[in-house]
Amino acid sequence: SAVISQKPSRDICQRGTSLTIQCQVDSQVTMMFWYRQQPGQSLTLIATANQGSEATYESGFVIDKFPISRPNLTFSTLTVSNMSPEDSSIYLCSVKKAPYEQYFGPGTRLTVT
Amino acid sequence: QQQVKQSPQSLIVQKGGIPIINCAYENTAFDYFPWYQQFPGKGPALLIAIRPDVSEKKEGRFTISFNKSAKQFSLHIMDSQPGDSATYFCAACHITQGGSEKLVFGKGTKLTVNP
Repeated sequence: SAVISQKPSRDICQRGTSLTIQCQVDSQVTMMFWYRQQPGQSLTLIATANQGSEATYESGFVIDKFPISRPNLTFSTLTVSNMSPEDSSIYLCSVKKAPYEQYFGPGTRLTVT
Repeated sequence: QQQVKQSPQSLIVQKGGIPIINCAYENTAFDYFPWYQQFPGKGPALLIAIRPDVSEKKEGRFTISFNKSAKQFSLHIMDSQPGDSATYFCAACHITQGGSEKLVFGKGTKLTVNP
């Protein structure tokens, strides 16, 4: 498995501000991903964080709104920019450790007021 | 467009019962099918995953049954315990040519196991 930590675990932010979420994994991994889980809902892939190149975004998610960094093989950040109440969600990072095995972090619970 | 349909939305069983959660998918390009367990306030935890060339896989009390022709798969929890009470998500994963992968999740099933 993988030991994944996220910071912050939760935050309450004002509309129009930005929040950067950090994801740290205990060993080097090639693939890291960012997901969003709206309250009581399923998970949706935001983007794949690629080390050494730009992130790959899914339909409906754009770099200006969700810029992602991946400076090395154990760390990534997701920024939620110019937040609105609709951005209130749980944001999760995940990593691929082995074939058929993708592991999730504990999540960051974001509330935008 | 939802590519993975999960049912039921909620499920209540007695301790020792065998809850069954079903999922159906539409895209035949999926490469593997994992199940995740999520407790309130926690991230999803990988339970078990199956490839489409396998019809059944067991890990402890958890069993996945897979029907490729019907594009359906299900999770069975043997001898269920109150500690199994959680939300369960099925997912389908597509591995791209570049080696990346995308998980598509079902909407989840909230399981309650009564003592």
